Amino acid sequence: DTGVSQNPRHKITKRGQNVTFRCDPISEHNRLYWYRQTLGQGPEFLTYFQNEAQLEKSRLLSDRFSAERPKGSFSTLEIQRTEQGDSAMYLCASSQGAALHFGDGTRLSIL
Amino acid sequence: AQSVTQPDIHITVSEGASLELRCNYSYGATPYLFWYVQSPGQGLQLLLKYFSGDTLVQGIKGFEAEFKRSQSSFNLRKPSVHWSDAAEYFCAVGPSNFGNEKLTFGTGTRLTIIP
Repeated sequence: DTGVSQNPRHKITKRGQNVTFRCDPISEHNRLYWYRQTLGQGPEFLTYFQNEAQLEKSRLLSDRFSAERPKGSFSTLEIQRTEQGDSAMYLCASSQGAALHFGDGTRLSIL
Repeated sequence: AQSVTQPDIHITVSEGASLELRCNYSYGATPYLFWYVQSPGQGLQLLLKYFSGDTLVQGIKGFEAEFKRSQSSFNLRKPSVHWSDAAEYFCAVGPSNFGNEKLTFGTGTRLTIIP
């Protein structure tokens, strides 16, 4: 069990640029989740995949956000035309049963 | 809609003292309940979970939590804290239908340990 892996750990970008994050879940887990965590808050649900199917998206996920899990393994989260308010920690989690296993997150800083 | 309240933003305890972190939830049915711990710059680690059965659940690192349906609470306890317990603690609630582990988290309680 190598755990959930997220890359990069930290991303600094200028406002208006596009960014992409990657998540590699625990290999036998078929469910994958993206959460966003801002300073002083708990994680907030963004979206959820069962295998390659995206089953649910939060209202927090604006049109600038897109997530994929093309082969039911790793997932990517892309943010287009980044804004200051996108600065946050983006957490990925996977599960096979009823508990989430989280990665260490990608911290996004918008200049 | 489900929600979680952690009324204590920050708690300071002495090393060796007992600890209780409060969590209240709102959910229309029987929920799944979780406690996670987060160290600075890291992801969340599962401490313990409650699905059904015995209302006192044991977790890792000597933590336990008690589910009280009448009070809609799921408080986390530890009889004697260690300096390494300093971290942020999150309570979470999830739906009790297997196959959807979307969780709603509280805002967290930051725990500081003093020598």
